[in-house]
Amino acid sequence: EAAVTQSPRNKVAVTGGKVTLSCNQTNNHNNMYWYRQDTGHGLRLIHYSYGAGSTEKGDIPDGYKASRPSQENFSLILELATPSQTSVYFCASGDAQATGQLYFGEGSKLTVL
Amino acid sequence: GEQVEQRPPHLSVREGDSAIIICTYTDSATAYFSWYKQEAGAGLQLLMSVLSNVDRKEEQGLTVLLNKKDKRLSLNLTAAHPGDSAVYFCAVSPSSGSWQLIFGSGTQLTVMP
Repeated sequence: EAAVTQSPRNKVAVTGGKVTLSCNQTNNHNNMYWYRQDTGHGLRLIHYSYGAGSTEKGDIPDGYKASRPSQENFSLILELATPSQTSVYFCASGDAQATGQLYFGEGSKLTVL
Repeated sequence: GEQVEQRPPHLSVREGDSAIIICTYTDSATAYFSWYKQEAGAGLQLLMSVLSNVDRKEEQGLTVLLNKKDKRLSLNLTAAHPGDSAVYFCAVSPSSGSWQLIFGSGTQLTVMP
């Protein structure tokens, strides 16, 4: 069964610390995405990727980096975490035609103290 | 750019009643329209997607209506049951072949027994 798996599912970090959120997909999709979900904002796109080696900025990229070392893996990196980055982060994969069909992971809850 | 508004933010209905969620969008070139369901503590799951040349689609107690003239997309859950309680999101893809999905802000649906 096709799947998107995120790790860690829960993370507590300190301000100024480095956080890496990982995502693995077995859908063989070219496109992968990182969103954050906050009350009142729905889902906002942070970074996305068209394939291995590619990363692109989404709507709210400031304070985040992304890495796509392979077709299957896409990481979101917070070099210097801040309390405003406390959120639930979702990874998703989709086919290149972007037919409105994305497959989401279960989410990673990040708390920055 | 494309703007998507979703309403209502909260909706409570009795078991067996209908629940209607509406999204409006701004870009007349929008190509794909989707509805996602998010259960507590989980990622988003695709419910249904339609292309811009489809006015109505029904599947398993769900009806999606697309009014391109008014730029309005709706989801109707007929005969809702408690298992339908979740957060529902609409999502639009601005144009054919686009990588991007833009999400509404979500509707928390509660179905009371």
